[in-house]
Amino acid sequence: EIVLTQSPATLSLSPGERATLSCRASQSVSVYLAWFQQKPGQAPRLLIYDASNRATGIPARFSGSGSGTDFTLTISSLEPEDFALYYCQHRTNWPPLTFGGGTKVEIK
Amino acid sequence: QVQLVESGGGVVQPGGSLRLSCAASGFTFSSYAMHWVRQAPGKGLEWVAFIHFDGTNKYYADSVKGRFTISRDNSKNTLYLQMNSLRAEDTAVYYCVKGGPIAVVLFDWGQGILVTVSS
Repeated sequence: EIVLTQSPATLSLSPGERATLSCRASQSVSVYLAWFQQKPGQAPRLLIYDASNRATGIPARFSGSGSGTDFTLTISSLEPEDFALYYCQHRTNWPPLTFGGGTKVEIK
Repeated sequence: QVQLVESGGGVVQPGGSLRLSCAASGFTFSSYAMHWVRQAPGKGLEWVAFIHFDGTNKYYADSVKGRFTISRDNSKNTLYLQMNSLRAEDTAVYYCVKGGPIAVVLFDWGQGILVTVSS
């Protein structure tokens, strides 16, 4: 089973700053990695799939990059609504589909 | 737009059974694979089960294999999760999730339904 490790666990930033979130896989997942955003009391929302493809309706300030074992989600300039939990998830050699442990982006 | 509405959650005793339903609308249900994903209170996300668009292929997480059964009724636009032999560790919010053109990309999520396993 592929293990995804997200870092940091918590990112403390101010609105307008750039956020860089990391997801590392225990073995190569090629480009088959997705990112989700979850706000308290809400369902997760797909942001990025296959490493760099934005889902429908996702603002351009969200971008994804990486391949193999190292991936990055970048939020170019944090808006107030971006403070949330973020998860990465792979779809290689499944089942199972597995998720990372999450990164919380909080207001500094 | 895509709507996924879960129902059937609640409190059940250990060893008991529960069936979750997910009513789908806003898309051609019979054309898309579906998943169940769960989240224990205060914890991360765990994929539970997958079913192909026509119900021919089903896959499960090891943690639920042999106890949970995913199914669908394309004539009723409804996805199901039959949960038997429930354990305390099955306590979670269960999300119904629609796949996309890529079946295992988790495109659209329902609002979730809470299942509590407790005596």
